[in-house]
Amino acid sequence: GAGVSQSPSNKVTEKGKDVELRCDPISGHTALYWYRQSLGQGLEFLIYFQGNSAPDKSGLPSDRFSAERTGGSVSTLTIQRTQQEDSAVYLCASSLGRASGNTIYFGEGSWLTVV
Amino acid sequence: AQKVTQAQTEISVVEKEDVTLDCVYETRDTTYYLFWYKQPPSGELVFLIRRNSFDEQNEISGRYSWNFQKSTSSFNFTITASQVVDSAVYFCALSEAQDGNNRLAFGKGNQVVVIP
Repeated sequence: GAGVSQSPSNKVTEKGKDVELRCDPISGHTALYWYRQSLGQGLEFLIYFQGNSAPDKSGLPSDRFSAERTGGSVSTLTIQRTQQEDSAVYLCASSLGRASGNTIYFGEGSWLTVV
Repeated sequence: AQKVTQAQTEISVVEKEDVTLDCVYETRDTTYYLFWYKQPPSGELVFLIRRNSFDEQNEISGRYSWNFQKSTSSFNFTITASQVVDSAVYFCALSEAQDGNNRLAFGKGNQVVVIP
């Protein structure tokens, strides 16, 4: 597709379950980002990929969060043993390269609700 | 410390009025980039503009205009003759060259409500 594609768009899960969120970036974009948007915290950076490697994981809130990217394209964000405070919109984004100033394009997000 | 401040949480205007959204940023980097994004109810963050720190020229795109002033560390956004479709949350963001990874620091956003 032309834009960043994310799935699922909505996910309701029970506390303690694992969830996987998928992101398909814009074709040709080597940099991929995950952000989280929650009511109390606004938009927070989680993790960044350049190709398949993740040089910056500084934003991951706990070791329950992990992400991988295969083939330099699709990325999966995994949250293990979900907690209610994990409820948020998880936004994936991509850009042509890692250099500052490259425009970052966002997907529509995956809305996660932990009950 | 908050790098990007958007003081006005929610702004309501009547259709056809102008609305200005303030964005104040903080950085020690001499090379940086400023962005505005629009988030309509659908949730997607839509890119509006990018400005680098060396280009203080103001920009106009249709009903949108941006005023970048380094002296006051501000990058304000004006919507002229607002329309109902402008109702959204607008985010200002900063990317610093020294970061090297193009991470964006976002402000809290301005909720704009245009009343028909």
